[in-house]
Amino acid sequence: KAGVTQTPRYLIKTRGQQVTLSCSPISGHRSVSWYQQTPGQGLQFLFEYFSETQRNKGNFPGRFSGRQFSNSRSEMNVSTLELGDSALYLCASSSVGGANYGYTFGSGTRLTVV
Amino acid sequence: DQQVKQNSPSLSVQEGRISILNCDYTNSMFDYFLWYKKYPAEGPTFLISISSIKDKNEDGRFTVFLNKSAKHLSLHIVPSQPGDSAVYFCAASGYRGGSNYKLTFGKGTLLTVNP
Repeated sequence: KAGVTQTPRYLIKTRGQQVTLSCSPISGHRSVSWYQQTPGQGLQFLFEYFSETQRNKGNFPGRFSGRQFSNSRSEMNVSTLELGDSALYLCASSSVGGANYGYTFGSGTRLTVV
Repeated sequence: DQQVKQNSPSLSVQEGRISILNCDYTNSMFDYFLWYKKYPAEGPTFLISISSIKDKNEDGRFTVFLNKSAKHLSLHIVPSQPGDSAVYFCAASGYRGGSNYKLTFGKGTLLTVNP
């Protein structure tokens, strides 16, 4: 079966702009999580959605937002981009959510802010 | 406050020998622990996990040990192979405290297995 698909793979944006990243989970998976990976901080949790509802949120400013659609696809948006937002953004999907049920990660979107 | 710590940024071992990757945690609410492997330009892939009710879990060449009293876990790879060269992330989750729906990761350890 197809894995977790993230688009685009690479993105270059200018400071102050906004960006939208997309994630298509594994078919049948209803939980989608987003993580930010930077060299200094490792992987940090952004938020998790299940059946279009946000169930958990990490410690990121309000410029970071997300949503999930009825088909479980998810998008995350970052407004007013800052240089420090340059990172690899990873999406993970799971059937019901919860580490015990396993998370499958996509290959990520590499965002560069200049 | 870093709740999951991997104090060794890198580790180098010879092919065929044992690789031991360590991880410490501070949050006693964590009750499920996982190891992920990550190659460059790819997402993390799940390797092995352990519940807090166990102290050991084995899957082929990979064994995870959990010492709850010390809040420490380790991943043993025996024998190590060059294809194991990657960044290894320790992660934790927990039903209690409402943190079940997120993974808290360490910063990773770069393992290099030399032929």
